[in-house]
Amino acid sequence: DTGVSQNPRHKITKRGQNVTFRCDPISEHNRLYWYRQTLGQGPEFLTYFQNEAQLEKSRLLSDRFSAERPKGSFSTLEIQRTEQGDSAMYLCASSKLALAKNIQYFGAGTRLSVL
Amino acid sequence: QQPVQSPQAVILREGEDAVINCSSSKALYSVHWYRQKHGEAPVFLMILLKGGEQKGHEKISASFNEKKQQSSLYLTASQLSYSGTYFCGTEIGKAGGTSYGKLTFGQGTILTVHP
Repeated sequence: DTGVSQNPRHKITKRGQNVTFRCDPISEHNRLYWYRQTLGQGPEFLTYFQNEAQLEKSRLLSDRFSAERPKGSFSTLEIQRTEQGDSAMYLCASSKLALAKNIQYFGAGTRLSVL
Repeated sequence: QQPVQSPQAVILREGEDAVINCSSSKALYSVHWYRQKHGEAPVFLMILLKGGEQKGHEKISASFNEKKQQSSLYLTASQLSYSGTYFCGTEIGKAGGTSYGKLTFGQGTILTVHP
């Protein structure tokens, strides 16, 4: 069990550029979540998948953000036309619902800096 | 709506005890507790389902009062390794007894343990 893996760990980009992050969940975990965390705050929900279906997307999420999980395994999060306000840590978590317990395990995150 | 954690920060000496509280205005399905060290992923500590259960993990335990929608995390005989930011994540219940799946996190409690 290798844990949740995220790549890249750090991304520096210029305002207006597009960026894509990847998340590989724990194998056999059918749920995958994306959260965003800014300094001094708790993680904030962005979206989640059950297998390949995107079940919920935060109303706070701009149309510039899109996520996919094409085969129900890894997921990508793309941000188009990045803005300075997008600078944050992007966290991925995965879970396997068992006995009504939805325990989410987090990856180390991708830190995005928009210049 | 974000759960409210208190206190915002705690400073302890090794061996002292601490309690961290988490309060929600929503009907909760479960409460999750995480610890995050600087620059690292949040690490899962425990989950409490509605029903008022109390769980333990070494010298860390927690309770969940379903009627008050409040949870408390108890750290006894603190160790240096307990230092970090503690987050509660709440999962909202649906009619029918299931949950929405996503976690809504509090703003965190910074715990510092000194020798």
